[in-house]
Amino acid sequence: DAGVIQSPRHEVTEMGQEVTLRCKPISGHDYLFWYRQTMMRGLELLIYFNNNVPIDDSGMPEDRFSAKMPNASFSTLKIQPSEPRDSAVYFCASSFIGGHSDTQYFGPGTRLTVL
Amino acid sequence: QQPVQSPQAVILREGEDAVINCSSSKALYSVHWYRQKHGEAPVFLMILLKGGEQKGHEKISASFNEKKQQSSLYLTASQLSYSGTYFCGTRTGNQFYFGTGTSLTVIP
Repeated sequence: DAGVIQSPRHEVTEMGQEVTLRCKPISGHDYLFWYRQTMMRGLELLIYFNNNVPIDDSGMPEDRFSAKMPNASFSTLKIQPSEPRDSAVYFCASSFIGGHSDTQYFGPGTRLTVL
Repeated sequence: QQPVQSPQAVILREGEDAVINCSSSKALYSVHWYRQKHGEAPVFLMILLKGGEQKGHEKISASFNEKKQQSSLYLTASQLSYSGTYFCGTRTGNQFYFGTGTSLTVIP
């Protein structure tokens, strides 16, 4: 398996623009997580899905952030409008929580810079 | 509630041992440990389930004390490749959290 795939790997945009981050989880995994990582705040869970349904979005910072998972193999995280403080590395992770395993496998991340 | 890790940072010489602790204020179902190198994604090391189990992988092992809601990661005879930031991840019911991170630097 190719692992979790994220695109783009790097994104530079101007304040006010819409940004869409994409994630393809590992096939067969039933959980998908979106994280944001900054030096100041560390690794933060934004939202996670189980079987394509959002379970907990309490980590989403504000209404400018939205996430969707239209099917088991694709998810998006959208920021509209973007602000400089959104600059961070955004990770997507997937997991199969069956039996006793809930290990999360991370994608390579998208480094977002908002100017 | 984000688990608290200690120490925040540690510097070791090659061959020395280290212990990283992870404490939660909530009852835990599982604890998992990850290592992240600069500029890379976190990579899974091991998972421990409630039941007080202990696991090991080569010179890295971990324990989980569910009564104290704590886990410890043990690195023995450290190697240069162990350098990175270590995170514990916890699950309580349907709540997932990552710890504050411990920066570990191994020097020759």
